[in-house]
Amino acid sequence: GEDVEQSLFLSVREGDSSVINCTYTDSSSTYLYWYKQEPGAGLQLLTYIFSNMDMKQDQRLTVLLNKKDKHLSLRIADTQTGDSAIYFCAESIRNNDMRFGAGTRLTVKP
Amino acid sequence: EAGVAQSPRYKIIEKRQSVAFWCNPISGHATLYWYQQILGQGPKLLIQFQNNGVVDDSQLPKDRFSAERLKGVDSTLKIQPAKLEDSAVYLCASSLGVTNTEAFFGQGTRLTVV
Repeated sequence: GEDVEQSLFLSVREGDSSVINCTYTDSSSTYLYWYKQEPGAGLQLLTYIFSNMDMKQDQRLTVLLNKKDKHLSLRIADTQTGDSAIYFCAESIRNNDMRFGAGTRLTVKP
Repeated sequence: EAGVAQSPRYKIIEKRQSVAFWCNPISGHATLYWYQQILGQGPKLLIQFQNNGVVDDSQLPKDRFSAERLKGVDSTLKIQPAKLEDSAVYLCASSLGVTNTEAFFGQGTRLTVV
């Protein structure tokens, strides 16, 4: 397929871990990104991973990359109510363009 | 460091009217992008500039959309005439250059075409 795919919704309890999954399309993608979008705001880059890596950890965030399956995941440890937002997966393609998924809406319940 | 500035924040127009959006990227950022984000979807690239040259405009509907970045800094995106399906948030982003690992987005302009 031609689309970057993500599940649309995820709901977790405060303090639990969240895992957001994404499948991308282009095996030649050099970078894969996770962006966060809060209501009425632009996209904020959370983290990225270079395609020759399979894992990257940044404080509460862990990114896992499975190039064989073109699968990317974002794990948020100790999820807080402030983490409620829409999370976009994106792959870099030609000319450093980014192709985005439709976003996963994360809801964190107290 | 000031972020990417966009104006206006909101715009409501009737179909067949014209509209223009403005973007001021982060100082020193050579690459500027315009994205269209339709409700419930991820952003889709419309056009990418490197300084004042166009790198990619393959997804820009050129019969009605135009964009320019004359001095390699600010940019404007114009729609003329607008259609109902152009209702979306138009996001501007900028990055330092060759890779877009450090792409920063503005808050966007929400366009409603009625």
